[in-house]
Amino acid sequence: QVQLVQSGTEVKKPGASVKVSCKTSGYTFTSYGITWVRQAPGQGTEWMGWISTYDGNTNYAQKFQGRITMTTDTSTSTAYMELRSLRSDDTAVYYCARDHDFNMDVWGQGTTVTVSS
Amino acid sequence: QTVVTQEPSLTVSPGGTVTLTCASSTGAVTSGYYPNWFQQKPGQAPRALIYSASNKHSWTPARFSGSLLGGKAALTLSGVQPEDEAEYYCRLYNSGVWVFGGGTKLTVL
Repeated sequence: QVQLVQSGTEVKKPGASVKVSCKTSGYTFTSYGITWVRQAPGQGTEWMGWISTYDGNTNYAQKFQGRITMTTDTSTSTAYMELRSLRSDDTAVYYCARDHDFNMDVWGQGTTVTVSS
Repeated sequence: QTVVTQEPSLTVSPGGTVTLTCASSTGAVTSGYYPNWFQQKPGQAPRALIYSASNKHSWTPARFSGSLLGGKAALTLSGVQPEDEAEYYCRLYNSGVWVFGGGTKLTVL
């Protein structure tokens, strides 16, 4: 079955970087893009961006431009999201999800990132 | 910046019918916004229910349906079950970016 398994909880200091992984299985990795979103405590869901697993093209939300990098490793069917210059308001649960043809269907379990001094 | 608006909360009785809506600050929601709907229960990741306004996933219960209604995207639950109590989010596509709504907390009471 299709699965997206994310890396574990992270605790970071302000100004640091975090890199979250999303290991996929059960389907052809390069046939579906990967979207990243986050949910901050008590907040809604925020779209961060999308990466094509086929050619690596990215589409980042303007809010994160310059601070985010999404990459993939096709040899391990894994997607990565790196967020730099972390602030306290980056504290959130980060999710990856398979996304193709405007259809975001299967989600990872989420990765909690806490930014605190 | 597009704002997507959902009802903050709704209450429905078991066995009843409820419609959640998803509006865009840019105007009427059309099929070109490719509305998606998700269900999220506490402590769990969101689960996809509907894509492209009205298409269901293989796992989507038959009582859930999506549509375009009065310039908004809509999610209708018919014959609501207690396990449908959850937060429901929509997302809309516009000019190359996706925007999520703030979510609707559905209480089954």
